[in-house]
Amino acid sequence: RKEVEQDPGPFNVPEGATVAFNCTYSNSASQSFFWYRQDCRKEPKLLMSVYSSGNEDGRFTAQLNRASQYISLLIRDSKLSDSATYLCVVNPYVSWKLVFGTGTRLLVSP
Amino acid sequence: AAGVIQSPRHLIKEKRETATLKCYPIPRHDTVYWYQQGPGQDPQFLISFYEKMQSDKGSIPDRFSAQQFSDYHSELNMSSLELGDSALYFCASSGVGAGANVLTFGAGSRLTVL
Repeated sequence: RKEVEQDPGPFNVPEGATVAFNCTYSNSASQSFFWYRQDCRKEPKLLMSVYSSGNEDGRFTAQLNRASQYISLLIRDSKLSDSATYLCVVNPYVSWKLVFGTGTRLLVSP
Repeated sequence: AAGVIQSPRHLIKEKRETATLKCYPIPRHDTVYWYQQGPGQDPQFLISFYEKMQSDKGSIPDRFSAQQFSDYHSELNMSSLELGDSALYFCASSGVGAGANVLTFGAGSRLTVL
């Protein structure tokens, strides 16, 4: 079992749709959680950190459920430019060896 | 703002050759990480350095070695290259304080082994 698992993709949605991605992690001692975005053949870029209380950044909302070891990302009013692979990323413990999920590909169409 | 600089961007080598990738972190970032991403795969952690000392080690083959220099740049040396080493190699850096757990990635070095 992978340390970080994500919903299989790809997700194909029309512009304006709301889409949610889920992620589970196996190490209950994990300290930090992030969503990164990766465009094809480009480097991962931090989308947002995920806090225990949940956090929102514009159209993006991230939630963390420590009891269920579950992280989610909600994208509202999808734009064509949101098309990318979304990587769930976990810091398993105090080291900064981030562990990446395999990513979920999102394709937003007109 | 300055980002993480990697060189070369593209590299083509033959089996059993040697390759060296370089990474220049964001100024004042003291931690450098190397990740390997194969085609269709998620990034896999190789190794990291903090203040020029190895801080963590992942799935880095024995044929690979890396170091961080006094100016904080890092080099990943790969010897006896195999076809399976063909991948995108990302370097990332992080700083201290509130930004210590946020990694900024370079654009990557694409290695093709023929």
